[in-house]
Amino acid sequence: SQQGEEDPQALSIQEGENATMNCSYKTSINNLQWYRQNSGRGLVHLILIRSNEREKHSGRLRVTLDTSKKSSSLLITASRAADTASYFCATDGTGANSKLTFGKGITLSVRP
Amino acid sequence: GAVVSQHPSWVICKSGTSVKIECRSLDFQATTMFWYRQFPKQSLMLMATSNEGSKATYEQGVEKDKFLINHASLTLSTLTVTSAHPEDSSFYICSVRGQGHYGYTFGSGTRLTVV
Repeated sequence: SQQGEEDPQALSIQEGENATMNCSYKTSINNLQWYRQNSGRGLVHLILIRSNEREKHSGRLRVTLDTSKKSSSLLITASRAADTASYFCATDGTGANSKLTFGKGITLSVRP
Repeated sequence: GAVVSQHPSWVICKSGTSVKIECRSLDFQATTMFWYRQFPKQSLMLMATSNEGSKATYEQGVEKDKFLINHASLTLSTLTVTSAHPEDSSFYICSVRGQGHYGYTFGSGTRLTVV
């Protein structure tokens, strides 16, 4: 089963613009992670935010987490054509038997 | 984090044959590994949790007799797609839960095409 629901499902922007992607989830989490996947390739881990954190930055990435609303957002600033990819949020549950559950994903196209 | 090697990266097989995919944790003793499947333009769906020395735990709707998982050592888990059919064509990705900040390390995936 899938935990996260990202929106929008597809996003097309001009190079240099910011891209904001949202993710909602349903159950309690230990942390939430964002991944990138280029077409037909493996996953690249972007950033992790723990349940007791509200915001994190990494380079051009900014992620927020609102546990009361069970939602997260990923902001990519000053986008580049190379940012074109699919982006997934994934939630890690609590407990020893936790597992990573992925959302449906967002396809980002950055036009040069 | 752990270094995970997945092999093969791609495979084409005939319908009705079986295909084995390996997932190796190169520098970490992984008691738990995960197998995901990803159809084109879709997300990763967890198929099963592979536990070293015990039976795998399959997600609802995943046929355990069709997708055989063996995790006989702390460094190797295998997924065998038995009697493969074209609808099994997909991208299969393994993951190791272990050390490191992120908690999970992914293999590079296996593209299976059944003809």
